[in-house]
Amino acid sequence: KAGVTQTPRYLIKTRGQQVTLSCSPISGHRSVSWYQQTPGQGLQFLFEYFSETQRNKGNFPGRFSGRQFSNSRSEMNVSTLELGDSALYLCASSLTPGQGIWYFGAGTRLSVL
Amino acid sequence: EDQVTQSPEALRLQEGESSSLNCSYTVSGLRGLFWYRQDPGKGPEFLFTLYSAGEEKEKERLKATLTKKESFLHITAPKPEDSATYLCAVQAPQAAGNKLTFGGGTRVLVKP
Repeated sequence: KAGVTQTPRYLIKTRGQQVTLSCSPISGHRSVSWYQQTPGQGLQFLFEYFSETQRNKGNFPGRFSGRQFSNSRSEMNVSTLELGDSALYLCASSLTPGQGIWYFGAGTRLSVL
Repeated sequence: EDQVTQSPEALRLQEGESSSLNCSYTVSGLRGLFWYRQDPGKGPEFLFTLYSAGEEKEKERLKATLTKKESFLHITAPKPEDSATYLCAVQAPQAAGNKLTFGGGTRVLVKP
C-alpha cells in the first residue's frame, strides 16, 4: 500500500513569491493534516481537512491556505513568501484521526531566499 | 493552550545502555498522548497511543507509560537502529478537531 506522497520534495523560492505544495494521502484516508517543522519551533499544526472541509486551522497568518479535493488529495498554498517560511512542510493522512494515528509523508523542504 | 515539553533534548547512549525519555504536558482535557519516531529525511512514524494514567504500551525495546502530568518512553538495551528523534504529542479536546500538539523531541543516538 502506497504511503503519503508529497510533491515536490524540495523547493527554492524567493521572497514575495507564492508556492503550492501537494499531498496525496493513503488510499481510503479522508482526513489530511498539514504541519510546519522548523528547528526552532518544532512541529506546528497548520490545517486539518476531512471530506473537502477544513476542520481546524492553526495560528498562522492568512498567507497560509489550503484545500482538499473530492479524491482526498490536498494542497497548501503560501503567498508572499517570507524568509521565516523556510521549513519542512509535512502532510499526514488518517483513517482514524480521533485516535491520533496519523501517517506522515516525507515532507516538502521549502527554502526561501 | 496545550503545551508539551520533552527532555532531554539529546541523548547519547552506548548500545545496550537503557534509558528513559520524558514528556510533560499541560492540556485541558487529554484525549490521548502519542509517541512518534522521526528518522532524518522522513516524516514522523506513529509508535504508541496512551489514553489514561497508568496505561502502558510496549513494542520491541520501547515501553511507553503515562501519568496525569507526564509520559515516559523507556528504551531497553537499545541498538544503533533505535537512533532517531522521538516526538511526544497530545490531542486537543474533540471540539478543536484532531490537531496534535508536539513537543520539541528528543534526539537519541545509540553508538555501537
